[in-house]
Amino acid sequence: GIQVEQSPPDLILQEGANSTLRCNFSDSVNNLQWFHQNPWGQLINLFYIPSGTKQNGRLSATTVATERYSLLYISSSQTTDSGVYFCAALGGNSGGSNYKLTFGKGTLLTVNP
Amino acid sequence: GAGVSQSPSNKVTEKGKDVELRCDPISGHTALYWYRQRLGQGLEFLIYFQGNSAPDKSGLPSDRFSAERTGESVSTLTIQRTQQEDSAVYLCASTLRLNEQFFGPGTRLTVL
Repeated sequence: GIQVEQSPPDLILQEGANSTLRCNFSDSVNNLQWFHQNPWGQLINLFYIPSGTKQNGRLSATTVATERYSLLYISSSQTTDSGVYFCAALGGNSGGSNYKLTFGKGTLLTVNP
Repeated sequence: GAGVSQSPSNKVTEKGKDVELRCDPISGHTALYWYRQRLGQGLEFLIYFQGNSAPDKSGLPSDRFSAERTGESVSTLTIQRTQQEDSAVYLCASTLRLNEQFFGPGTRLTVL
């Protein structure tokens, strides 16, 4: 099945700083999602982005499907941005597990005041 | 409902007891998934339903785990004879036509 790797595993920022989180995947994808898991464990959908670029407030994401990576940009970070960011991919090849999301191990972001 | 709901939110049980976890997907979503997340880990796929059928049960860790879905809606994950290693957060997700998946708040299971 598809492999998903995220980097960095941990990131510490001062409030106001910008950051880039990376997600590499091993195969073509039909679905690529970014989630934020808050301290209560809830997975919040950030982006559904199998290709292209999207922006939502201070967050934006870009997926370059042909090069098999996606980037999540956080600008002007706030303490409430702290938590774990997961990338998850749904493989595009038929005959395989092309219906379930495979998650990366996440990036633990800590934003200090 | 507006989102995926799960119950109970927390469950503490004794080793050897059976537990049932419930998931109510977003209305009209045809696909439903169960995942497990152990402390400090990523999400681990357990089972996938398309309608009421489960074409992929490969992620279920043992025969103590089972799941069913009825009316193309609510799903129940049952763990029999719980063990301490079953302690985790169990998350349910639903989607329409294998597009964006939406997750419920999870059930935190603690086996003493």
